[in-house]
Amino acid sequence: SQELEQSPQSLIVQEGKNLTINCTSSKTLYGLYWYKQKYGEGLIFLMMLQKGGEEKSHEKITAKLDEKKQQSSLHITASQPSHAGIYLCGADLHMTTDSWGKFQFGAGTQVVVTP
Amino acid sequence: NAGVMQNPRHLVRRRGQEARLRCSPMKGHSHVYWYRQLPEEGLKFMVYLQKENIIDESGMPKERFSAEFPKEGPSILRIQQVVRGDSAAYFCASSPGIYSNQPQHFGDGTRLSIL
Repeated sequence: SQELEQSPQSLIVQEGKNLTINCTSSKTLYGLYWYKQKYGEGLIFLMMLQKGGEEKSHEKITAKLDEKKQQSSLHITASQPSHAGIYLCGADLHMTTDSWGKFQFGAGTQVVVTP
Repeated sequence: NAGVMQNPRHLVRRRGQEARLRCSPMKGHSHVYWYRQLPEEGLKFMVYLQKENIIDESGMPKERFSAEFPKEGPSILRIQQVVRGDSAAYFCASSPGIYSNQPQHFGDGTRLSIL
């Protein structure tokens, strides 16, 4: 079963509108990472969150990790065509030295930005 | 180019042949991770390697798949006697260390097609 649940699975947003993607874990998140993937390409690292309540922003993208460290949200303000793609959350779910680096990923959220 | 380099970008094999996928990590990174992305599915962890050591191979199929990261040269993911179900995008990522505060950086992937 998927340990990281992303929602929605896909969304279509009009250019200039805001959007939010959620990533929920059944376990405590020791590191939560947001990536973006364009079709046929690799993953581009966006942001990393570690502390409960942490919030980071880069340009028009803001990511938050809730206090209990089991849910993160990615918010895009005034979306542009360049924001189209698949957004994936990835996480360290196992706090053991043998399992660091073994990321779990959500299934991804496909974002389409229309004119 | 200082990023993670994967080659080839596309690989076509007939059933029963061998596939070799290569990954050169970012400069200064000694940890390599392989993931598989099947159509309509998320990114699945396969194996985590350091130089000359396999740290975690819990995501690797038990048969036909192997990975190595020699002291010199790129990491290799090897698939013997390929079958149709092996068709997927294979991504390599690298990081500088084992601590959970360091994101993994991804290559552009190798798209494997089995005829």
